[in-house]
Amino acid sequence: EPEVTQTPSHQVTQMGQEVILRCVPISNHLYFYWYRQILGQKVEFLVSFYNNEISEKSEIFDDQFSVERPDGSNFTLKIRSTKLEDSAMYFCASSEVRSTNEKLFFGSGTQLSVL
Amino acid sequence: GNSVTQMEGPVTLSEEAFLTINCTYTATGYPSLFWYVQYPGEGLQLLLKATKADDKGSNKGFEATYRKETTSFHLEKGSVQVSDSAVYFCALLTMDTGRRALTFGSGTRLQVQP
Repeated sequence: EPEVTQTPSHQVTQMGQEVILRCVPISNHLYFYWYRQILGQKVEFLVSFYNNEISEKSEIFDDQFSVERPDGSNFTLKIRSTKLEDSAMYFCASSEVRSTNEKLFFGSGTQLSVL
Repeated sequence: GNSVTQMEGPVTLSEEAFLTINCTYTATGYPSLFWYVQYPGEGLQLLLKATKADDKGSNKGFEATYRKETTSFHLEKGSVQVSDSAVYFCALLTMDTGRRALTFGSGTRLQVQP
């Protein structure tokens, strides 16, 4: 079965540094998402992306965050100046369609640790 | 707003035991309900879903019934195996109002011992 690939699996960074989390969605999918899970808390929606623009974002997704699809295959999440509270598991997801029946395919996540 | 509450883990069971993981939700409109599973080192995978009241989703021996009257979507399996050890996430999706993205619970870790 096709899968969503995320790299790296673990990322350690110093507070204030920029990080870029990378994702390769499934090739024929059109909708892309980032979610995150702070340890012990709920998986939270960050942003959705379609047709080369953000279609929706949560209150978590402030000016420090940005997403990009730099080429036909990658989908990246950038955090400009990391904070301690950005430490979390970040999940990328993609889907073919957008409906109540949509099936999201998730990557295995990037564990971000901000020191 | 939308929210999902599921029982805290870890849930530790012996092989062949009966499993229930409780999930209740609050939502505007008429959500679709999902269970996702995350095996160690892997991404979240859709386990089963139900799109309207009284629907039963089932897969790999797991079942969950969409109960509108109790706003619940409890996950059950009659006989768990060691290979079922994973984290299970209940989630909802509504297209009616507000955010058109999955709302997840906090996940429940299941540990099945041989």
